Amino acid sequence: GNSVTQMEGPVTLSEEAFLTINCTYTATGYPSLFWYVQYPGEGLQLLLKATKADDKGSNKGFEATYRKETTSFHLEKGSVQVSDSAVYFCALRASNYQLIWGAGTKLIIKP
Amino acid sequence: EPEVTQTPSHQVTQMGQEVILRCVPISNHLYFYWYRQILGQKVEFLVSFYNNEISEKSEIFDDQFSVERPDGSNFTLKIRSTKLEDSAMYFCASSEWGAGAPADTQYFGPGTRLTVL
Repeated sequence: GNSVTQMEGPVTLSEEAFLTINCTYTATGYPSLFWYVQYPGEGLQLLLKATKADDKGSNKGFEATYRKETTSFHLEKGSVQVSDSAVYFCALRASNYQLIWGAGTKLIIKP
Repeated sequence: EPEVTQTPSHQVTQMGQEVILRCVPISNHLYFYWYRQILGQKVEFLVSFYNNEISEKSEIFDDQFSVERPDGSNFTLKIRSTKLEDSAMYFCASSEWGAGAPADTQYFGPGTRLTVL
């Protein structure tokens, strides 16, 4: 079946540090992959997506590359800011259109 | 920018009571979803809805749950007789329709926190 595994949090970094949040998936076929972000007190916002192998999604300085060989979609950012503090969710789109979610990773950025 | 809205933001109810959670999807979207997140657990799919019918539903979506699009703008989730384990954050989402399928991207509302006492 379909599943998404992402690294456990919280992840605590200093401002301007490099960020990686790991995400791996199990799926039949090649599903679209997503990163959503949830800021404190807010809903789930799409951060970026990739729809096929080797695609790179990017937004707001965040990037993730769809790696078919390693079934991964790791989220990266070169220099994080305090305002990036949030919970980040990796998800895949199953064949019946529902999203299958990872557990979420809480990111804390200290000034 | 258009957005999905949900009301109320927080609902407290007694076990056994009926609750209705309301959502207003983005106006030109045709495919709708409900998800829930129990505290400390993963977001889980409940149901999807298209053309006034349920398209898919999960095992969680049993006879206690129902969805409705009562008019051209609202999309509701009803829980007929709430249980303690229904306490969760409920998210509504919508997506465009094109080329015979819903678009990849689902746009989410801010959620309704349901607390069952």
